[in-house]
Amino acid sequence: GENVEQHPSTLSVQEGDSAVIKCTYSDSASNYFPWYKQELGKGPQLIIDIRSNVGEKKDQRIAVTLNKTAKHFSLHITETQPEDSAVYFCAARPSNTGNQFYFGTGTSLTVIP
Amino acid sequence: DVKVTQSSRYLVKRTGEKVFLECVQDMDHENMFWYRQDPGLGLRLIYFSYDVKMKEKGDIPEGYSVSREKKERFSLILESASTNQTSMYLCASSGLGTGFSQPQHFGDGTRLSIL
Repeated sequence: GENVEQHPSTLSVQEGDSAVIKCTYSDSASNYFPWYKQELGKGPQLIIDIRSNVGEKKDQRIAVTLNKTAKHFSLHITETQPEDSAVYFCAARPSNTGNQFYFGTGTSLTVIP
Repeated sequence: DVKVTQSSRYLVKRTGEKVFLECVQDMDHENMFWYRQDPGLGLRLIYFSYDVKMKEKGDIPEGYSVSREKKERFSLILESASTNQTSMYLCASSGLGTGFSQPQHFGDGTRLSIL
């Protein structure tokens, strides 16, 4: 089955700096890659996603890049703010598994004011 | 907005009890999922359902069962709770996608403690 690895597990940045979280996947059949943000006491919320026919997608301060050849995708947050502090999860969905997602182990991001 | 509601935020049960976790979604989604979340392990899929009365095992189904009698409701059942089932449980739902996937939408979780 699919295996998603996520790095780093913890990340601290100064407010205003950029943060990058990286994920790799193993199944070349994966064609959908969502990113979730989980704040304390809440469930994961979708913040951005990318499909395999696209190399990059941006939404204000958040961007995701996908390299299908290398089987890795990354989340980029620019101009970080304290409210960006949360746990972030990447996921991959193989096209042959219905709508089953495989999640990374999460990155705890702390933005220091 | 999609709303996925889990019936309890916190639950404390005893070893050997039968435990029911309930989840309801309001978007007429076909797919529903149950995950458990443990530190350092991310989200692991227990069971999912793609239609009423249909269910599929995920990666860690042992010790659990599910029920989906109505489209909007998906229940997770711990047949005989054990201490190693102490965890955060997350329910999610998604619509049917054609070709590419639809995102999963999560509830806020049930933190279950088994004593």
